[in-house]
This record gives sequence, C-alpha cells and structure tokens, in this order.
Amino acid sequence: QVTLRESGPALVKPTQTLTLTCTFSGFSLSTRGMCVNWVRQPPGKALEWIAAIDWDDNKYNASSLKTRLTISKDTSKNQVVLTMTNMDPLDTGTYYCARSDAYAFDYWGPGTLVTVSS
Amino acid sequence: SYVLTQPPSVSVAPGQTARITCGGSNIGSYSVHWYQQKPGQAPVLVVYDDDDRPSGIPERISGSNSGDTATLTISRVEAGDEADYYCQVWDTSSDWVFGGGTKMTVL
Repeated sequence: QVTLRESGPALVKPTQTLTLTCTFSGFSLSTRGMCVNWVRQPPGKALEWIAAIDWDDNKYNASSLKTRLTISKDTSKNQVVLTMTNMDPLDTGTYYCARSDAYAFDYWGPGTLVTVSS
Repeated sequence: SYVLTQPPSVSVAPGQTARITCGGSNIGSYSVHWYQQKPGQAPVLVVYDDDDRPSGIPERISGSNSGDTATLTISRVEAGDEADYYCQVWDTSSDWVFGGGTKMTVL
C-alpha cells in the first residue's frame, strides 16, 4: 500500500525558510523510474508543480522558483525534503507531495497548509 | 512556457454527459493526465496518458486528445462527480504543467 504524508510548520514568517518533509511508504525511491514531486495550491486557486526528485537523484525545479528551492532525498528513511527560502505571503497554500512512476502522479499525500504571515 | 487552458466551470444535470476541455498548442502530441479534486481533499488521478484509467476509476470516465484540445468525458454524471478537474502535461521546457482547473457543478 502506497502512502505519502507531508509534514512541516503550519506558519512561517515572511523572509523565513520553509522546510517540508514528505515521508512515504509502499515504494522505494531507488527503483528505476520512480519520482517524488511537490505540488502547491494557494487557497481557492489551481495546482502548481514546484519540484521533483527522481530515483537517480536528478532534481527538477519550477523555473519561477528555481533560485529559492532545494530538494533532497534520504532513501534509507523514505523521505524527500523540500526547502524554500525567502517565504512570502503569496506562498501561502496547501503543499502536496505526490509519487510519479514514469507517468502521472498516481499517489498523493493529504497535503499540509502553510500560512506565511508575520 | 507551455500553457493549458480550461473553462472555469461547467454545469451538468445528473445522468447527462459532461465534457471538460483542456486546450494547448498541439496538445495532441503530449500525454495528458486528468485529476479530480473534491473540496478539502488531495487530487486523485482519473485518467492518464490521454485515455487510460487507473484501477478503481469507473468506465464512465474517459479521455481523448487530438489537435489542440484534450477532453475529459464523464458519462451518466452523478452527484458524487461534483469536483474540480485539472489537466496536466509534461513539457520539456516547462516541466510539469497544470491547467487552471474546471469546477464541475451537478445541477
């Protein structure tokens, strides 16, 4: 059974760095073709893909956020960590991690709401 | 960057057929995926690679893709189909791209 779950702070201040962890089970990120993605969704708005890391440790970032994002994995712990620097109120939203296995995002975590406010 | 355009909303009566479009330049050359998202929940994959369904997704949900438009079709619409629907593609210059989403209301 594949599961993913996001964890991290619910509230961060503007200019701070956000660190989110995706803890997963039921698959291995060392399996060829496997990838873990981060997707965010501002309140009432559309989904936005922001980053991914694959089985071969290749990393992908949305160009609009490239300079602010770092993604890493700990295969032994079944975790993927996303850091986003210089947080702004416009970064407020629900952050999801999702698995992709060579194609679409077939399993998603429940999401974690992050509010950026002083 | 690659852009996917969806109508903001569609309305359909129970038992009728809903069609949700996703427009993009030559989208027919891409593999399109569709997600259903109900309020307060994470998205669920309902169609992948244009017209395939994950296990557990009913046959009345289908997809097609040609030219500049991909379409998600939901036949015999039920109240439980009311949700937001998003299309998605992988583009080599934009990476993963989502459409703006379509809110489907069951009348």
